Amino acid sequence: RKEVEQDPGPFNVPEGATVAFNCTYSNSASQSFFWYRQDCRKEPKLLMSVYSSGNEDGRFTAQLNRASQYISLLIRDSKLSDSATYLCVVNGRGADGLTFGKGTHLIIQP
Amino acid sequence: NAGVMQNPRHLVRRRGQEARLRCSPMKGHSHVYWYRQLPEEGLKFMVYLQKENIIDESGMPKERFSAEFPKEGPSILRIQQVVRGDSAAYFCASSPLRTGGAGNEQFFGPGTRLTVL
Repeated sequence: RKEVEQDPGPFNVPEGATVAFNCTYSNSASQSFFWYRQDCRKEPKLLMSVYSSGNEDGRFTAQLNRASQYISLLIRDSKLSDSATYLCVVNGRGADGLTFGKGTHLIIQP
Repeated sequence: NAGVMQNPRHLVRRRGQEARLRCSPMKGHSHVYWYRQLPEEGLKFMVYLQKENIIDESGMPKERFSAEFPKEGPSILRIQQVVRGDSAAYFCASSPLRTGGAGNEQFFGPGTRLTVL
């Protein structure tokens, strides 16, 4: 089983729609969780940290389910500028390096 | 406050040559991480350094790759005798605190794209 697994997509979504995607992680000792966004051939940029109680930042909502070992990201009222690859990222207990999923490719269509 | 700086942005080497990639962390950050992203793959952790110390090199290939973060100057990722399989994007990240402790975020530089001919 891969350490962090995501549906690669692409997800083709009309502008204004709501889109959600999940990822699963294999290391039950993981302690920190993030969503990063990566535009084509650019560096990953932190979108948001994910907390156990769930958290929201504007149009973005992240949820963590430790029992099932999955993380979700919900984007409401999607914009054309949301088109990117979304990376699910996990940090294991005591680990220094982050573990990245391969990403989910999102395309917002006008 | 300038972000993480990496240079060169693009580097072309022939097989057998050496590649040196440089990374300057964000101001106030003393923790540096190197990652490699092969084509169509996710980022893979390579090494974590603090000033003058390699803390975790569990992701570094055993041969030809080395990293340093001297007291003065940028962190350097060095690849000796490059092969075509080394062609990838190499990203550096920095954080103000050690990530493994408290979920502290890492901030990434623009990357160096290495092409080995």
